[in-house]
Amino acid sequence: RKEVEQDPGPFNVPEGATVAFNCTYSNSASQSFFWYRQDCRKEPKLLMSVYSSGNEDGRFTAQLNRASQYISLLIRDSKLSDSATYLCVVNMTLTGGGNKLTFGTGTQLKVEL
Amino acid sequence: NAGVTQTPKFRILKIGQSMTLQCTQDMNHNYMYWYRQDPGMGLKLIYYSVGAGITDKGEVPNGYNVSRSTTEDFPLRLELAAPSQTSVYFCASTPEAGGDNEQFFGPGTRLTVL
Repeated sequence: RKEVEQDPGPFNVPEGATVAFNCTYSNSASQSFFWYRQDCRKEPKLLMSVYSSGNEDGRFTAQLNRASQYISLLIRDSKLSDSATYLCVVNMTLTGGGNKLTFGTGTQLKVEL
Repeated sequence: NAGVTQTPKFRILKIGQSMTLQCTQDMNHNYMYWYRQDPGMGLKLIYYSVGAGITDKGEVPNGYNVSRSTTEDFPLRLELAAPSQTSVYFCASTPEAGGDNEQFFGPGTRLTVL
């Protein structure tokens, strides 16, 4: 079983649609959770952290369910500029210090006119 | 403040050649990381460093070496390039461990081994 699993997509949605991505992780000792965004041929960039209480940043809402080891991302009112690959990322602190980020393979979103 | 910079942007190597991928950050971050990303795959951790003079292996260290003589620089060395090392290499840094510390990524080096 992969450490972090995501549906690769692509999700093709019209502008203005609401779209949801899901992710599951296998290591229950994981400590923190993120969604990163990666544009084509670019580096990943942090979109938002994910908390059990749920958190919102404008049109983006993230949710964590530790019991089910499940993470979600909801994008409302999709824009063309939201087209990208969304990476589910799970963090653990390494024994010697530093963080180990485990990345899912990403879910590709294409927003169309 | 340039953030994390990587050179070169692109490189083609022949099997058996060696090269060093350069990574520099100007944010005074203690923690630095090297990842590789194969097509359609997630990023995999190659090596990491928690400070100058300290490095450790990640998930996929074979065929690579690193050094960390300064806080700013974290070069990745490929000694005997193999086709399996064809990938995009990302360097990242973060100020400290734990919590919600964002990892800042460089723009990547696209490496092809023929």
